[in-house]
Amino acid sequence: NAGVTQTPKFQVLKTGQSMTLQCAQDMNHNSMYWYRQDPGMGLRLIYYSASEGTTDKGEVPNGYNVSRLNKREFSLRLESAAPSQTSVYFCASGPRLFFGEGSRLTVL
Amino acid sequence: QKEVEQNSGPLSVPEGAIASLNCTYSDRGSQSFFWYRQYSGKSPELIMFIYSNGDKEDGRFTAQLNKASQYVSLLIRDSQPSDSATYLCAPLDGDSSYKLIFGSGTRLLVRP
Repeated sequence: NAGVTQTPKFQVLKTGQSMTLQCAQDMNHNSMYWYRQDPGMGLRLIYYSASEGTTDKGEVPNGYNVSRLNKREFSLRLESAAPSQTSVYFCASGPRLFFGEGSRLTVL
Repeated sequence: QKEVEQNSGPLSVPEGAIASLNCTYSDRGSQSFFWYRQYSGKSPELIMFIYSNGDKEDGRFTAQLNKASQYVSLLIRDSQPSDSATYLCAPLDGDSSYKLIFGSGTRLLVRP
């Protein structure tokens, strides 16, 4: 099925550990996004990529890095996880934002 | 700081009624406006978008936009229990053609 695929769906980390969230889309979209969603705070943009080869900071980029590997894939990396990064992470693609199912991350 | 304000709710309406969801935004440069529906534990999905002042209808949904008042609303006619969800308003950032600014959403409960 066409869409946005995120992995993993669930992850528990200890403070200081690193991990990468993977995202892939098969809709031939140029733009891709990473958001986090916390209770009562709506969706906040972490990073986005307007097209292959470009990435830009969003509203809350600190503590994260991204890679636009090719047109299909856009990964989000936490180099040294902190409890404040406990959240649900959504990848989205396209100008009207087609979202993946989300990745629930807990940092202990 | 560009802001998008929505009443968090819950907005409770009986089945069959009209639900009216409101949103105000601070960015006068916003030209496009999107409404997403998010069921509990699920990802947001686009239900409507509007570019021009006035009304835009799509089935039971009507989006209304007033740029002068910086106000956008979503009406849901003949509300059904399956419409119970959180509705997110998202204007397009006036300085970027790529970034949406999300409100924190209004939770809608439709009572059978």
